[in-house]
Amino acid sequence: AQSVSQHNHHVILSEAASLELGCNYSYGGTVNLFWYVQYPGQHLQLLLKYFSGDPLVKGIKGFEAEFIKSKFSFNLRKPSVQWSDTAEYFCAVNTRSGGGADGLTFGKGTHLIIQP
Amino acid sequence: EPEVTQTPSHQVTQMGQEVILRCVPISNHLYFYWYRQILGQKVEFLVSFYNNEISEKSEIFDDQFSVERPDGSNFTLKIRSTKLEDSAMYFCASSEGGGPRTYEQYFGPGTRLTVT
Repeated sequence: AQSVSQHNHHVILSEAASLELGCNYSYGGTVNLFWYVQYPGQHLQLLLKYFSGDPLVKGIKGFEAEFIKSKFSFNLRKPSVQWSDTAEYFCAVNTRSGGGADGLTFGKGTHLIIQP
Repeated sequence: EPEVTQTPSHQVTQMGQEVILRCVPISNHLYFYWYRQILGQKVEFLVSFYNNEISEKSEIFDDQFSVERPDGSNFTLKIRSTKLEDSAMYFCASSEGGGPRTYEQYFGPGTRLTVT
């Protein structure tokens, strides 16, 4: 079974600071990788995804993530954060063994607070 | 933009009672999922559903749980006899069938279940 580790549970940054949230997974086969965001009072929203191809993927709101297969990592980055980026960020993975039916395995989440 | 909807937003029930949580997936999606998040813990996969049958289920999804697609739009999660430890946020998700978008799961806002 796969597992996902997010290294930072709480991160506090000032506006315009750069962001990098770590995510590592354990699984020996082919995986799909995701970052979800949950803004206060809202539901989980897909931020970006990696299935195959270019390991640097770009998502919404200026976020990007890089898949490094040798490190089993999929870190989320943003060059300059805004107050509105305050949210909970979840890394998730599923495999392709069951087609579309594979459930996502989530990390514990990172609570990001951006101070104005 | 189409969204996954869930009702009710909050359900309070007494231990031992049956509850049914309802979800309306995005209309052209073919895969459906239930997840739960106990307060302060990870989002956990419960079950996936495709072509009117369970595709995958986790260890959490025991005989107390069942899922059903009673009509063309609703997808339900039933907990037969609730326990205190069933108190959690329950999320429904859905994804398209076919191609890479099969793996993109879109989440509803969740139902907060409180068992007293």
